Amino acid sequence: ETGVTQTPRHLVMGMTNKKSLKCEQHLGHNAMYWYKQSAKKPLELMFVYNFKEQTENNSVPSRFSPECPNSSHLFLHLHTLQPEDSALYLCASSQDLGPSYEQYFGPGTRLTVT
Amino acid sequence: AQSVTQLDSQVPVFEEAPVELRCNYSSSVSVYLFWYVQYPNQGLQLLLKYLSGSTLVESINGFEAEFNKSQTSFHLRKPSVHISDTAEYFCAVSDSGGSNYKLTFGKGTLLTVNP
Repeated sequence: ETGVTQTPRHLVMGMTNKKSLKCEQHLGHNAMYWYKQSAKKPLELMFVYNFKEQTENNSVPSRFSPECPNSSHLFLHLHTLQPEDSALYLCASSQDLGPSYEQYFGPGTRLTVT
Repeated sequence: AQSVTQLDSQVPVFEEAPVELRCNYSSSVSVYLFWYVQYPNQGLQLLLKYLSGSTLVESINGFEAEFNKSQTSFHLRKPSVHISDTAEYFCAVSDSGGSNYKLTFGKGTLLTVNP
């Protein structure tokens, strides 16, 4: 595996389910990100981790719970979601935090909440 | 606060025609500027970026963008497009100074190249 991988690629869940999204980066980067991509809206930054420490929580509802056990792995735990949470969830990583460091994106998980 | 406006949500063109995707930004501080491309069913990939120096930047596949500070624009151009350029293109901006690493994205422009 190379780059940034995400599993599953597609997920359908009911509002009462609990599920998790997984992201893994094979680039040796120190920073990892979760973004939400909804149709016709700009990408929304959700969470940022640097050296496994959360540095940003962009006012995300508590039904989204991130976990970063090490610099290579990032999870997004989902619980009691709403239909408006249906979107493409993108994971990204960068060498370090800073505007000049390129962010590398995974292919995303397409989430549908029924 | 920063914002990015991509004036066209969709741009249809014929193969081998020139194209320009427009991007304007607003910011009270100096900025870095980026164009990302998203092919169908894939994540975003960095296409090109402006950090400093020459205001004209180029990608390896023939795209170019010019930073115009007075017009706060960073339009993306290609003189002759291919079918394979069909994708969604996102303009993004971040602060060039301090510790603000956040990227602010536009809503995207869907480029469709028709034969």
